[in-house]
Amino acid sequence: QQQVKQSPQSLIVQKGGISIINCAYENTAFDYFPWYQQFPGKGPALLIAIRPDVSEKKEGRFTISFNKSAKQFSLHIMDSQPGDSATYFCAASMYADYKLSFGAGTTVTVRA
Amino acid sequence: GAGVSQSPSNKVTEKGKDVELRCDPISGHTALYWYRQSLGQGLEFLIYFQGNSAPDKSGLPSDRFSAERTGGSVSTLTIQRTQQEDSAVYLCASSPQGQGAQPQHFGDGTRLSIL
Repeated sequence: QQQVKQSPQSLIVQKGGISIINCAYENTAFDYFPWYQQFPGKGPALLIAIRPDVSEKKEGRFTISFNKSAKQFSLHIMDSQPGDSATYFCAASMYADYKLSFGAGTTVTVRA
Repeated sequence: GAGVSQSPSNKVTEKGKDVELRCDPISGHTALYWYRQSLGQGLEFLIYFQGNSAPDKSGLPSDRFSAERTGGSVSTLTIQRTQQEDSAVYLCASSPQGQGAQPQHFGDGTRLSIL
């Protein structure tokens, strides 16, 4: 049973456009929501993370939006660049717990 | 500093053979995780180590899979009598402690192909 559901499975965006990836979770005990970025042939790397005490967090061109009542969170990539082409995974856990539950991943392709 | 190192990077073996996959975590990281990533799929949790102990083995798919960690450092994932469905990328990650809020640092994985 997947605890974090991620969509879309893949998306294509033009250079300069906005990429949006959505995730939904069921476990209301989750209070830590990271996003990982994975390039082909490499392991995932932490991109940005949010806790439920804020509704939005921005780091450069990457923004996480969080909706606690809807149990949803999303990643927005602004001004998408070809170098952003990668697979993005959302995840969730309890802050003090060891276990991350990952979404299935979204492959983003940015066309030049 | 050095990141998580996994070896071999690629492994091709015949069905029925045993394989050993190695993970060298970041020095000082007490928490170590193994995941499996099948083609186009997400990350499937296999096992978690805190030091040399494995308090959570719940993700191991069958008794053909086992893992150990020695000296609070290197870990080995062993798959016995490999099957074709074992073909996947096996990823190792480590973090300073076993807390979800700490970034997990991943190696680049071992790509396992069972013929």
